[in-house]
Amino acid sequence: KAGVTQTPRYLIKTRGQQVTLSCSPISGHRSVSWYQQTPGQGLQFLFEYFSETQRNKGNFPGRFSGRQFSNSRSEMNVSTLELGDSALYLCASSLERARDTQYFGPGTRLTVL
Amino acid sequence: AQSVTQLDSQVPVFEEAPVELRCNYSSSVSVYLFWYVQYPNQGLQLLLKYLSGSTLVKGINGFEAEFNKSQTSFHLRKPSVHISDTAEYFCAVPTGGGNKLTFGTGTQLKVEL
Repeated sequence: KAGVTQTPRYLIKTRGQQVTLSCSPISGHRSVSWYQQTPGQGLQFLFEYFSETQRNKGNFPGRFSGRQFSNSRSEMNVSTLELGDSALYLCASSLERARDTQYFGPGTRLTVL
Repeated sequence: AQSVTQLDSQVPVFEEAPVELRCNYSSSVSVYLFWYVQYPNQGLQLLLKYLSGSTLVKGINGFEAEFNKSQTSFHLRKPSVHISDTAEYFCAVPTGGGNKLTFGTGTQLKVEL
């Protein structure tokens, strides 16, 4: 099976712009979660989508949003970018339950100038 | 709320020596526990997970971990490390329902010749 893919792998934006990141889960996986990884804050949960519905949400401002399509592919959007949004954004897919393994993609490295 | 604490931010070790990476969790209920590894410029990969049953869990690449309920620990061990084990290791626990994972702050394992 193909693994989790994320596009693009690298992105450079300027403050105030918006960005959309894409994640294609492993075939058959209906849950997609997003995480932000920074040196200062570590790995932080953004949100999870399951069958096109947001099932869980982390403690991030409303500038961070996401959605999931009927084929389980997911996108996350960050509007009005700030310097502090520079991070590695990781997507993970899994079957359904908390005991199911989450498989991570390689991440999108976002740099905000 | 459930959480995990990784006690060591960096662990240097010589090749072929044994290593233990420490993780403590806080919970009063049954838990699932995970160890993930992140190689440079990559996403996270599951090493092993504890769901229930045997407290000694074997994972990939020769790693194992022992669930200790009385000490609320889930330490990761390898009897003989290799240069290729140099990476960052994260302990994680599901929190808040769904597939949300809360990660520890990570332990950087550096294997030296």
